Amino acid sequence: KAGVTQTPRYLIKTRGQQVTLSCSPISGHRSVSWYQQTPGQGLQFLFEYFSETQRNKGNFPGRFSGRQFSNSRSEMNVSTLELGDSALYLCASSLESAGELFFGEGSRLTVL
Amino acid sequence: AQSVTQLDSQVPVFEEAPVELRCNYSSSVSVYLFWYVQYPNQGLQLLLKYLSGSTLVKGINGFEAEFNKSQTSFHLRKPSVHISDTAEYFCAVTRGRQAGTALIFGKGTTLSVSS
Repeated sequence: KAGVTQTPRYLIKTRGQQVTLSCSPISGHRSVSWYQQTPGQGLQFLFEYFSETQRNKGNFPGRFSGRQFSNSRSEMNVSTLELGDSALYLCASSLESAGELFFGEGSRLTVL
Repeated sequence: AQSVTQLDSQVPVFEEAPVELRCNYSSSVSVYLFWYVQYPNQGLQLLLKYLSGSTLVKGINGFEAEFNKSQTSFHLRKPSVHISDTAEYFCAVTRGRQAGTALIFGKGTTLSVSS
């Protein structure tokens, strides 16, 4: 069974640009969550999608957005990038709410 | 609001020694508790979870944790560590089904096992 796949694995952007990250969950998983990991703030919850609906949202500015498609694949977008957005963005999928999360290897974003 | 505190940022141990990684949480409601491990340049992998029932939870790779409601703790233990256990360990909590998969993580504990 294939795991959670995130693309791209690494990317470099400059301030002011926007970026889209993609996540393909484990087959059959309907819940997809996104987390930001930085050395200073650690792991922080961004948002969760379930059956194409945003079910939970963390405390991030509106520049961070996401969506989920009918096949459960998810994308997150960050607009007007800032230096502080440099981080590892982790996607996780789950069969149901409050169950085990299966994490991808992450997309490492560097903003210059 | 909930929070998770991992009491040690770094824990160095020798191979085959026992180890305990400490985690305390604060919450006014019932919670689900988790321990995850992250190896370099990888995502997180679930070690074990407490949802309900027995307070002693056994996980993968010989790890176990004990849920202590009165002390609001969920410490992770392993009786004998291996070099391959060197990694970052995260304790996490969620407010149960109401919060979906919105986990609150501790800052992490780096376990370094040397020979």
